[in-house]
Amino acid sequence: DQQVKQNSPSLSVQEGRISILNCDYTNSMFDYFLWYKKYPAEGPTFLISISSIKDKNEDGRFTVFLNKSAKHLSLHIVPSQPGDSAVYFCAASWGKLQFGAGTQVVVTP
Amino acid sequence: ETGVTQTPRHLVMGMTNKKSLKCEQHLGHNAMYWYKQSAKKPLELMFVYNFKEQTENNSVPSRFSPECPNSSHLFLHLHTLQPEDSALYLCASSQEEGLRDYGYTFGSGTRLTVV
Repeated sequence: DQQVKQNSPSLSVQEGRISILNCDYTNSMFDYFLWYKKYPAEGPTFLISISSIKDKNEDGRFTVFLNKSAKHLSLHIVPSQPGDSAVYFCAASWGKLQFGAGTQVVVTP
Repeated sequence: ETGVTQTPRHLVMGMTNKKSLKCEQHLGHNAMYWYKQSAKKPLELMFVYNFKEQTENNSVPSRFSPECPNSSHLFLHLHTLQPEDSALYLCASSQEEGLRDYGYTFGSGTRLTVV
């Protein structure tokens, strides 16, 4: 039973525009949410996180929004840069991390 | 070396072979994890060790056998694998199991191909 879902396997965005990645979850026990970024031939690296007591967390070009009532979170990247091309994993935790399947982001010039 | 190091980076093995994957972390973390990543699928948690004690076995077949001799090292022993076990195996570490404020630090993974 997949408790963390990323329904968009891929996203193409033009350089300078906003990238919006979405993630839905089903387990209301999750109290911490994270986004990871993964380049080919490398392990995932931590990007940004948010506690369930907040609805927004911002770090530079990256902002994560949490809508608990909808069990939905999103990652905004603005402006998108070519180096942002990677696979982005959403993860949720209530002790151990559960990951989504990832969204492949391609930033085009 | 820093971070989480996994060896080998690539491994091709026959179904009757026995091999081991190694993971080492130099971060002073106390929890270590094995994940499996198959194409187009979420990362699947396999095993968790917290202060050298196994705290999770996520219904992993016995042909996968983990070993954690100390908080810095984690092994995954493989024997009589199946072709469907071909995947990227990722090791991760964290300060302590259950702490939410820190992300996991992942290694680069071992790309395993079973022939």
